[in-house]
Amino acid sequence: DQQVKQNSPSLSVQEGRISILNCDYTNSMFDYFLWYKKYPAEGPTFLISISSIKDKNEDGRFTVFLNKSAKHLSLHIVPSQPGDSAVYFCAASIGGGGAQKLVFGQGTRLTINP
Amino acid sequence: DVKVTQSSRYLVKRTGEKVFLECVQDMDHENMFWYRQDPGLGLRLIYFSYDVKMKEKGDIPEGYSVSREKKERFSLILESASTNQTSMYLCATSVQRGGVSTDTQYFGPGTRLTVL
Repeated sequence: DQQVKQNSPSLSVQEGRISILNCDYTNSMFDYFLWYKKYPAEGPTFLISISSIKDKNEDGRFTVFLNKSAKHLSLHIVPSQPGDSAVYFCAASIGGGGAQKLVFGQGTRLTINP
Repeated sequence: DVKVTQSSRYLVKRTGEKVFLECVQDMDHENMFWYRQDPGLGLRLIYFSYDVKMKEKGDIPEGYSVSREKKERFSLILESASTNQTSMYLCATSVQRGGVSTDTQYFGPGTRLTVL
C-alpha cells in the first residue's frame, strides 16, 4: 500500500527549461511534505519542504506547490541546470509526538540535457 | 553541518552470515533511522530510535534488529543474511526541539550490501 506515489520513474528536460516533478498521496493525515535529492552513491539531501497550512513554498530556483484537495504536490525547478540531474524523492509525515517518520515515494530520475 | 557516517560503502556477504551495519552521527540528534532503498520502491523504513536503548519497528522490520547503546551510534543487524536483503541501506538522523521531533532528516552516504 503505497501512501506516497511518484508515478513518473523518469523525466528528461532541456537545460534552462522548467522541470516539474509530481507526487500524489493518499493519507489525508499527512501534514508536512519534503523533497529530497539523491545523487548516485550518496545519501539523499534535503531540498525543500512545505507545511499543509501553506500551498506554496519557494527557495531560489525551487518551488513546491501543495494541493490538499487533490492530495497532490509538485516540485518546480526553474531554470533547470545540469547539476539538477539526480533522483528526486518526495516524502510525507504526520505531526505529533515521538520521532517523525517519513513516508517516501518511489523516486523520479531527472535528467537535464544540455 | 550534520555529519552522518556509515561504516562501509560497499559490503559483500554470504547467505546466513550475521551482518552489522554501523551508523555514527556527530550532531547530538536524538532520532536515528534505518532505511533500505530499492529500485521502484523508494526508501522504506526498517527501524528507528528516538533515544538511547529505545527502538521502534518501521514498515519492514522482518529479518532485522537494531541496537542503540550510545546516542551517536545506531547499528542495524541482519541476523542471518538472505539474498532478498541485497539493497542500499541508508541511515538518517533528525533532531528533537523541546521534546518534539522535527521532520527534516539527514542521511548518511549509504551502504550497498550484496548477499550472495
